Amino acid sequence: ETGVTQSPTHLIKTRGQQVTLRCSSQSGHNTVSWYQQALGQGPQFIFQYYREEENGRGNFPPRFSGLQFPNYSSELNVNALELDDSALYLCASSPAGTGGYNEQFFGPGTRLTVL
Amino acid sequence: DQQVKQNSPSLSVQEGRISILNCDYTNSMFDYFLWYKKYPAEGPTFLISISSIKDKNEDGRFTVFLNKSAKHLSLHIVPSQPGDSAVYFCAASANRYKLVFGAGTILRVKS
Repeated sequence: ETGVTQSPTHLIKTRGQQVTLRCSSQSGHNTVSWYQQALGQGPQFIFQYYREEENGRGNFPPRFSGLQFPNYSSELNVNALELDDSALYLCASSPAGTGGYNEQFFGPGTRLTVL
Repeated sequence: DQQVKQNSPSLSVQEGRISILNCDYTNSMFDYFLWYKKYPAEGPTFLISISSIKDKNEDGRFTVFLNKSAKHLSLHIVPSQPGDSAVYFCAASANRYKLVFGAGTILRVKS
């Protein structure tokens, strides 16, 4: 069974640029969530996708957007990068969407640095 | 607004002794609580969870206690092992999709 994978591992961008981060969910999981973890803090929920639809969103501006594909993999897009966007971006998958709670399984993350 | 708080940034424990990690929350709508462990360069790994209808859940060396009236939960690790050294995150959920995390506690188990 393959776990959650993310690419790239590290990324350096400059302010104002756009970035796309990718995530492959664990086999059998149809729900993907994205989190931002700033240095010294816990992960913060960005949004969740279930069956290719956004299923909930945290307190992040619209320049953070996402997609989920029919194979349940997902992308996180961030436009107009700001210095404060520098963080570890974590993807998590779980086997169910609405209706029941399932533990979320995390990938290793993408470390984004904005200069 | 920090709905989930882990007030101890770090904890040091001797191998074989008990480790107790604490977590407080403010949102009374939270009904599911989880603990995750994180090693450097890896994503958080699920450890143990508890529903608000219970006050205790055990899994091997790990036990989570929930005190709803105090809005407090704790993770007990007995006996502690050097491999348990990691960052531990408490997380809570109210709506089945969003996890709210604390800032984490660094646990060091000395051999």
